[in-house]
Formats: sequence, C-alpha cells, structure tokens
Amino acid sequence: DAGVTQSPTHLIKTRGQQVTLRCSPKSGHDTVSWYQQALGQGPQFIFQYYEEEERQRGNFPDRFSGHQFPNYSSELNVNALLLGDSALYLCASSRWGGGSYNEQFFGPGTRLTVL
Amino acid sequence: LAKTTQPISMDSYEGQEVNITCSHNNIATNDYITWYQQFPSQGPRFIIQGYKTKVTNEVASLFIPADRKSSTLSLPRVSLSDTAVYYCPLSGGGGATNKLIFGTGTLLAVQP
Repeated sequence: DAGVTQSPTHLIKTRGQQVTLRCSPKSGHDTVSWYQQALGQGPQFIFQYYEEEERQRGNFPDRFSGHQFPNYSSELNVNALLLGDSALYLCASSRWGGGSYNEQFFGPGTRLTVL
Repeated sequence: LAKTTQPISMDSYEGQEVNITCSHNNIATNDYITWYQQFPSQGPRFIIQGYKTKVTNEVASLFIPADRKSSTLSLPRVSLSDTAVYYCPLSGGGGATNKLIFGTGTLLAVQP
C-alpha cells in the first residue's frame, strides 16, 4: 500500500497564475481533505471531499477550489496566486462515517512557492 | 471545533520520558483529541487519539482528565529520532465533522 501520494513535490509559480495539485488517497479511503501549512504554522483546513462533493470548507476564499474523481483521487486548484499562497499543501485521506474519529493519513505534501 | 494551545518548545535527553500538555478549554462534547507528529517538509503522522480517560498504544500514552479541557501526551524513553513538532488537533467524529483543527504545535528537541 503506497499510502497517500501527492504530486508534484515542488512547484514554483508567479503571482496571478493558476495551479493544480493532485492527491491519491490511501487504499480503502473515500474521503479527501486538503490543508495549507505556512512556514512555522500548523496546518489549516481548506476543504473536504466525499462522494465527489465538497462537504466542508474552512476559511479560504473562492480562489481555492477542488474536485474529487470517481476513483476518490482529488485535485486542489488555486487561481490568481498571491505571494501569501506560498506554503506546503497537504492532502489527507480517511474513511467517511462512523461515530468516532476516523484517522486521517497525510501525504508528503506539495511545496508551492509563489514569486 | 476549538483551537488548541501548547508550549512552543520543549527540551529533553535520550532515554527520558517526555510529557507534552495541550490545552483545549472550549472542547465540544463531540470533539476527539488527537496527537500528530511532524518532521520538517513531511506530512503529519498520527500518534494516538482519545475521548476521555487514558489511552495507550505501542508508542505513546494519552491522559485526558474528566473535564477534557486538557490532555497530556506521554512519550516513554525518547530517542534522537523523536525530535519533531507535536500537534494536538481536535476533530469531530466521522462524516463531515472529521476535520482537524491545528494549533501551532510543540517543537520537541531531544539531546544525546
């Protein structure tokens, strides 16, 4: 089992450009969550996808959007990039449902640098 | 979901037991307490989770008092490889509440 995989590993963009990040969840998982981690800070929740729909969203502008595919993989899109979007973007997968905490498995992240 | 508060950093020596405390005064009834470990430029790795009382697994113990307003992660006999940032995010249960709210974390530095 490869666990959660993300691509690309690193990415450099300029202000105003658009970027797409990709995530493949751990085998058996159907839910994908995205987090943004700025340098020296804890990860911040962006949104969560299940059954190809956005189920929850954190305090991020509409420039951040996502998609989930039938095979449970997911994309994070960021439009009109700002310098402040430079961060490590983390994908986490889990199982939906159940009454207790479902462990979230994190991928290695994509390091985005905006110049 | 409430944010959590932890000491910014802690120092220890190899072989010692380390206890890291997390404050979550506004924890909700349906919140679970989780602990994650993160190395530089890697994703967080799950350590342990609990709802109340004490939980123990092969790597750590988690102590939660009755009022659940704080929790303590206990790492027995730490080694140099335990040097990392430790987070105690809260999460709801399954479904749409299963998101993690992270604070700033505790940087644990283990010395030889």
